[in-house]
Amino acid sequence: DAGITQSPRHKVTETGTPVTLRCHQTENHRYMYWYRQDPGHGLRLIHYSYGVKDTDKGEVSDGYSVSRSKTEDFLLTLESATSSQTSVYFCAISSDVRGAQAFFGQGTRLTVV
Amino acid sequence: DAKTTQPNSMESNEEEPVHLPCNHSTISGTDYIHWYRQLPSQGPEYVIHGLTSNVNNRMASLAIAEDRKSSTLILHRATLRDAAVYYCILRDEGSGYALNFGKGTSLLVTP
Repeated sequence: DAGITQSPRHKVTETGTPVTLRCHQTENHRYMYWYRQDPGHGLRLIHYSYGVKDTDKGEVSDGYSVSRSKTEDFLLTLESATSSQTSVYFCAISSDVRGAQAFFGQGTRLTVV
Repeated sequence: DAKTTQPNSMESNEEEPVHLPCNHSTISGTDYIHWYRQLPSQGPEYVIHGLTSNVNNRMASLAIAEDRKSSTLILHRATLRDAAVYYCILRDEGSGYALNFGKGTSLLVTP
């Protein structure tokens, strides 16, 4: 299995509090992604990174920020959590080889109350 | 982004072959066809991918139409552990090669 770890795996937080989710990889892959998955939806891209300090927005980026200061870590921050951000969050990694497969973490279940 | 069309659900009997179709009529010449599956309460898992030629691996086979406007994922002998949502995705350069997930096909395998 690819070395990709998400932490925490579960979190309950209150509305208005900041929350940071971490994705850590040991594969030295260039690309890293954050997705969210809600009932009735497939996975939707929040942000992605194509290198250290190189990030860009995805389809549903409002209310989220990311940082990548090291190749192995990609952080997703909810500056002020809202109930609409209750979701399961998945991190993914991929090399820059054309057509390369992506590897996904096990997910973080976030509940905002 | 290029789009794919898959049936919402399919059903198969255990130990029988399963053919999961996918239409992608707007595919461009450089798009790779990827298949992933997601088991309950897990992250998506890579199954197979290809560009033009048919592909085989230990999990499945991928049959790609000659015009590349459709493809079929073949599970040779379905098991109960193959019950999952299967996603057919065209991987292109958009959004850092991010996978654009649709709703996929929910495969039910019955004993």
